[in-house]
Amino acid sequence: AQTVTQSQPEMSVQEAETVTLSCTYDTSENNYYLFWYKQPPSRQMILVIRQEAYKQQNATENRFSVNFQKAAKSFSLKISDSQLGDTAMYFCAFMKDDYKLSFGAGTTVTVRA
Amino acid sequence: KAGVTQTPRYLIKTRGQQVTLSCSPISGHRSVSWYQQTPGQGLQFLFEYFSETQRNKGNFPGRFSGRQFSNSRSEMNVSTLELGDSALYLCASSSGAPLNEQFFGPGTRLTVL
Repeated sequence: AQTVTQSQPEMSVQEAETVTLSCTYDTSENNYYLFWYKQPPSRQMILVIRQEAYKQQNATENRFSVNFQKAAKSFSLKISDSQLGDTAMYFCAFMKDDYKLSFGAGTTVTVRA
Repeated sequence: KAGVTQTPRYLIKTRGQQVTLSCSPISGHRSVSWYQQTPGQGLQFLFEYFSETQRNKGNFPGRFSGRQFSNSRSEMNVSTLELGDSALYLCASSSGAPLNEQFFGPGTRLTVL
Protein backbone atom coordinates (compact mmCIF):
# COMPACT_ATOMS: atom_id res chain seq x y z
CA ALA A 1 0.00 0.00 0.00
CA GLN A 2 1.14 3.50 -0.71
CA THR A 3 1.50 5.94 2.16
CA VAL A 4 1.73 9.70 1.92
CA THR A 5 3.20 11.69 4.80
CA GLN A 6 2.80 15.39 5.42
CA SER A 7 4.86 16.21 8.49
CA GLN A 8 3.65 19.78 8.98
CA PRO A 9 0.13 19.96 10.44
CA GLU A 10 0.08 23.77 10.31
CA MET A 11 2.02 26.53 8.60
CA SER A 12 1.65 30.28 8.88
CA VAL A 13 3.01 32.79 6.37
CA GLN A 14 2.91 36.54 5.94
CA GLU A 15 1.15 37.86 2.85
CA ALA A 16 3.54 38.16 -0.13
CA GLU A 17 6.02 35.76 1.47
CA THR A 18 6.90 32.23 0.39
CA VAL A 19 5.97 29.01 2.15
CA THR A 20 7.04 25.45 1.40
CA LEU A 21 4.98 22.40 2.32
CA SER A 22 6.65 19.03 2.58
CA CYS A 23 5.37 15.67 1.40
CA THR A 24 7.01 12.28 1.30
CA TYR A 25 5.57 9.06 -0.01
CA ASP A 26 6.38 5.41 -0.01
CA THR A 27 5.94 3.23 -3.07
CA SER A 28 7.62 0.44 -4.97
CA GLU A 29 6.12 1.62 -8.24
CA ASN A 30 8.25 3.29 -10.88
CA ASN A 31 5.49 5.14 -12.66
CA TYR A 32 2.94 7.10 -10.70
CA TYR A 33 1.36 10.51 -10.36
CA LEU A 34 1.57 13.11 -7.62
CA PHE A 35 -0.83 15.91 -6.84
CA TRP A 36 -1.37 18.81 -4.50
CA TYR A 37 -4.96 19.66 -3.68
CA LYS A 38 -6.29 22.70 -1.85
CA GLN A 39 -9.37 22.63 0.35
CA PRO A 40 -10.46 26.11 1.44
CA PRO A 41 -12.82 26.58 4.36
CA SER A 42 -15.76 26.29 1.92
CA ARG A 43 -14.71 22.64 1.54
CA GLN A 44 -14.55 22.41 -2.28
CA MET A 45 -11.37 20.50 -3.10
CA ILE A 46 -9.37 22.06 -5.94
CA LEU A 47 -6.37 20.69 -7.84
CA VAL A 48 -3.35 22.95 -7.43
CA ILE A 49 -0.65 21.12 -9.36
CA ARG A 50 0.23 17.66 -10.65
CA GLN A 51 3.38 15.78 -11.64
CA GLU A 52 4.08 12.57 -13.51
CA ALA A 53 6.87 10.56 -11.92
CA TYR A 54 8.66 9.87 -15.19
CA LYS A 55 9.01 13.59 -15.90
CA GLN A 56 12.18 15.07 -14.44
CA GLN A 57 11.07 18.66 -14.85
CA ASN A 58 9.31 20.13 -11.85
CA ALA A 59 5.75 21.29 -12.51
CA THR A 60 4.82 24.95 -12.14
CA GLU A 61 1.44 26.65 -12.09
CA ASN A 62 1.68 30.41 -11.67
CA ARG A 63 2.71 31.02 -8.05
CA PHE A 64 2.75 27.32 -7.23
CA SER A 65 5.72 25.07 -7.96
CA VAL A 66 6.93 21.70 -6.81
CA ASN A 67 10.29 20.19 -6.00
CA PHE A 68 10.06 16.56 -7.05
CA GLN A 69 12.88 14.34 -5.83
CA LYS A 70 12.07 10.84 -7.10
CA ALA A 71 14.97 9.04 -5.42
CA ALA A 72 14.14 10.63 -2.08
CA LYS A 73 10.39 10.11 -2.67
CA SER A 74 9.76 13.72 -1.86
CA PHE A 75 7.26 16.11 -3.42
CA SER A 76 7.22 19.55 -1.79
CA LEU A 77 4.98 22.46 -2.76
CA LYS A 78 6.20 26.06 -2.80
CA ILE A 79 3.68 28.88 -2.70
CA SER A 80 5.27 32.16 -3.75
CA ASP A 81 3.86 35.64 -3.14
CA SER A 82 1.28 34.20 -0.75
CA GLN A 83 -2.18 35.72 -0.90
CA LEU A 84 -5.00 35.73 1.63
CA GLY A 85 -6.98 33.46 -0.69
CA ASP A 86 -4.30 30.80 -0.33
CA THR A 87 -5.51 30.12 3.21
CA ALA A 88 -6.68 26.50 3.10
CA MET A 89 -5.84 22.93 3.93
CA TYR A 90 -3.37 21.47 1.41
CA PHE A 91 -3.29 17.77 0.67
CA CYS A 92 -0.54 15.86 -1.06
CA ALA A 93 -1.86 12.86 -3.01
CA PHE A 94 -0.47 9.86 -4.85
CA MET A 95 -1.95 7.75 -7.62
CA LYS A 96 -0.65 4.83 -9.66
CA ASP A 97 -2.54 3.20 -12.52
CA ASP A 98 -5.41 2.18 -10.26
CA TYR A 99 -7.48 5.39 -10.32
CA LYS A 100 -7.25 5.66 -6.53
CA LEU A 101 -5.95 8.80 -4.84
CA SER A 102 -4.11 8.24 -1.57
CA PHE A 103 -3.98 11.43 0.47
CA GLY A 104 -1.71 12.70 3.17
CA ALA A 105 -3.12 14.07 6.42
CA GLY A 106 -2.99 17.63 5.16
CA THR A 107 -1.28 20.87 6.12
CA THR A 108 -3.31 23.88 7.21
CA VAL A 109 -1.86 27.04 5.71
CA THR A 110 -2.82 30.40 7.16
CA VAL A 111 -1.81 33.55 5.31
CA ARG A 112 -1.56 36.57 7.61
CA ALA A 113 -2.34 40.08 6.36
CA LYS B 1 -19.76 23.80 -17.83
CA ALA B 2 -21.60 22.85 -14.67
CA GLY B 3 -19.46 21.39 -11.90
CA VAL B 4 -19.88 18.20 -9.93
CA THR B 5 -23.09 18.20 -7.94
CA GLN B 6 -23.85 16.16 -4.87
CA THR B 7 -27.20 15.67 -3.21
CA PRO B 8 -28.20 16.06 -0.53
CA ARG B 9 -25.69 18.47 0.96
CA TYR B 10 -26.57 17.60 4.55
CA LEU B 11 -28.12 14.51 6.03
CA ILE B 12 -28.95 13.39 9.54
CA LYS B 13 -29.68 9.72 10.17
CA THR B 14 -29.86 7.42 13.17
CA ARG B 15 -27.89 4.28 13.81
CA GLY B 16 -29.13 1.26 11.91
CA GLN B 17 -30.69 3.24 9.08
CA GLN B 18 -29.45 3.22 5.54
CA VAL B 19 -28.61 6.18 3.32
CA THR B 20 -28.11 6.88 -0.38
CA LEU B 21 -25.96 9.71 -1.64
CA SER B 22 -25.97 10.95 -5.22
CA CYS B 23 -23.29 12.44 -7.43
CA SER B 24 -23.70 13.97 -10.88
CA PRO B 25 -20.36 14.33 -12.69
CA ILE B 26 -19.30 17.02 -15.09
CA SER B 27 -20.86 16.47 -18.50
CA GLY B 28 -18.69 14.13 -20.56
CA HIS B 29 -16.86 12.65 -17.59
CA ARG B 30 -17.18 8.90 -17.31
CA SER B 31 -15.25 8.32 -14.08
CA VAL B 32 -16.69 8.94 -10.64
CA SER B 33 -14.77 8.36 -7.41
CA TRP B 34 -16.00 8.52 -3.83
CA TYR B 35 -14.00 9.52 -0.76
CA GLN B 36 -14.80 9.69 2.93
CA GLN B 37 -13.31 12.56 4.93
CA THR B 38 -13.18 12.48 8.73
CA PRO B 39 -11.04 14.40 11.23
CA GLY B 40 -9.54 11.18 12.55
CA GLN B 41 -8.90 9.16 9.39
CA GLY B 42 -8.52 11.97 6.87
CA LEU B 43 -9.44 11.34 3.26
CA GLN B 44 -10.01 7.72 2.37
CA PHE B 45 -10.87 6.23 -1.01
CA LEU B 46 -14.13 4.31 -1.18
CA PHE B 47 -14.50 3.25 -4.82
CA GLU B 48 -14.21 4.37 -8.43
CA TYR B 49 -16.56 3.72 -11.32
CA PHE B 50 -15.97 4.10 -15.02
CA SER B 51 -18.69 3.45 -17.57
CA GLU B 52 -20.82 1.62 -15.01
CA THR B 53 -17.96 -0.68 -13.92
CA GLN B 54 -16.23 -0.54 -10.57
CA ARG B 55 -12.51 -0.36 -11.31
CA ASN B 56 -11.18 -0.10 -7.78
CA LYS B 57 -12.44 -0.34 -4.22
CA GLY B 58 -11.00 0.86 -0.93
CA ASN B 59 -10.84 -0.93 2.39
CA PHE B 60 -14.35 -0.36 3.63
CA PRO B 61 -16.86 -2.93 4.91
CA GLY B 62 -19.50 -4.33 2.64
CA ARG B 63 -22.05 -1.93 4.14
CA PHE B 64 -20.62 0.62 1.73
CA SER B 65 -21.66 0.07 -1.85
CA GLY B 66 -22.00 2.07 -4.99
CA ARG B 67 -23.16 2.02 -8.55
CA GLN B 68 -22.99 4.09 -11.68
CA PHE B 69 -25.70 4.62 -14.22
CA SER B 70 -25.46 4.86 -17.99
CA ASN B 71 -25.53 8.67 -17.79
CA SER B 72 -22.45 8.49 -15.49
CA ARG B 73 -24.37 9.62 -12.41
CA SER B 74 -23.34 7.64 -9.37
CA GLU B 75 -24.86 6.71 -6.07
CA MET B 76 -23.32 5.33 -2.94
CA ASN B 77 -25.25 3.50 -0.29
CA VAL B 78 -24.40 2.87 3.31
CA SER B 79 -26.51 0.31 5.12
CA THR B 80 -26.86 -0.26 8.87
CA LEU B 81 -25.34 3.10 9.72
CA GLU B 82 -22.88 3.37 12.60
CA LEU B 83 -21.82 6.45 14.55
CA GLY B 84 -18.39 6.19 12.90
CA ASP B 85 -19.92 6.69 9.46
CA SER B 86 -20.43 10.37 10.27
CA ALA B 87 -18.26 12.13 7.73
CA LEU B 88 -18.06 14.36 4.71
CA TYR B 89 -18.51 12.22 1.60
CA LEU B 90 -16.82 13.65 -1.46
CA CYS B 91 -17.42 12.69 -5.03
CA ALA B 92 -14.96 13.43 -7.82
CA SER B 93 -15.34 13.14 -11.57
CA SER B 94 -12.78 12.91 -14.34
CA SER B 95 -12.45 11.71 -17.88
CA GLY B 96 -10.93 8.50 -16.56
CA ALA B 97 -7.16 8.51 -17.14
CA PRO B 98 -4.93 8.62 -14.02
CA LEU B 99 -3.31 12.01 -14.58
CA ASN B 100 -6.52 13.67 -15.63
CA GLU B 101 -7.76 16.20 -13.11
CA GLN B 102 -10.32 14.96 -10.66
CA PHE B 103 -12.98 17.60 -10.07
CA PHE B 104 -14.51 17.39 -6.64
CA GLY B 105 -18.04 18.16 -5.61
CA PRO B 106 -18.97 20.13 -2.49
CA GLY B 107 -19.63 16.96 -0.52
CA THR B 108 -22.46 15.52 1.52
CA ARG B 109 -22.17 15.98 5.26
CA LEU B 110 -23.63 12.87 6.91
CA THR B 111 -24.32 12.89 10.63
CA VAL B 112 -25.29 9.64 12.32
CA LEU B 113 -26.99 10.00 15.72
